[in-house]
Amino acid sequence: EAGVAQSPRYKIIEKRQSVAFWCNPISGHATLYWYQQILGQGPKLLIQFQNNGVVDDSQLPKDRFSAERLKGVDSTLKIQPAKLEDSAVYLCASSLGIAGARNTGELFFGEGSRLTVL
Amino acid sequence: SQKIEQNSEALNIQEGKTATLTCNYTNYSPAYLQWYRQDPGRGPVFLLLIRENEKEKRKERLKVTFDTTLKQSLFHITASQPADSATYLCALDVDSGYALNFGKGTSLLVTP
Repeated sequence: EAGVAQSPRYKIIEKRQSVAFWCNPISGHATLYWYQQILGQGPKLLIQFQNNGVVDDSQLPKDRFSAERLKGVDSTLKIQPAKLEDSAVYLCASSLGIAGARNTGELFFGEGSRLTVL
Repeated sequence: SQKIEQNSEALNIQEGKTATLTCNYTNYSPAYLQWYRQDPGRGPVFLLLIRENEKEKRKERLKVTFDTTLKQSLFHITASQPADSATYLCALDVDSGYALNFGKGTSLLVTP
């Protein structure tokens, strides 16, 4: 079974530029998450989708970050304009997920997209 | 606010010994607690899930305990091997019950 696919693996940009990350979750997984992991820290949830609807985006800096999950499958995360403090690894994860229920299953993570903002 | 704390210091142990990692939490009433392993440059990989009504869970050389009174989970690796060297993350479901919040992780180094 194919895992969670993410691209690009690495991206270097100048501050104030924009960047987009793509994620393809495991087939059949209804729930998709974007996490930000700064060096030396644990993953921090940015946004969670259930199918193509947003469940939780309370920690997403909406003035510069946006995410969408069209057709309830692939997802993109965009940063515009980027700041130095956005340098991090952006992890996409998916789970089977049950709408309205507490998470009872494991999350499957992709390898992440490492962003460096200069 | 909800807080998850893991050993901030790296844990160095000798091959064959038992490694014990700690996860403490405050302002949480988790229904589940999960442990993940993360290798450098890779995404976290799920290891074990333990429910609030379970005291202990085992999987091969791994053992997890969950004490909801102490608000603590202990993660044990018995007969540790150099291949067990990695960062181990503790995660709890958020109050809304949807996603997971992660601790900072504890780095484990097993030397021959």
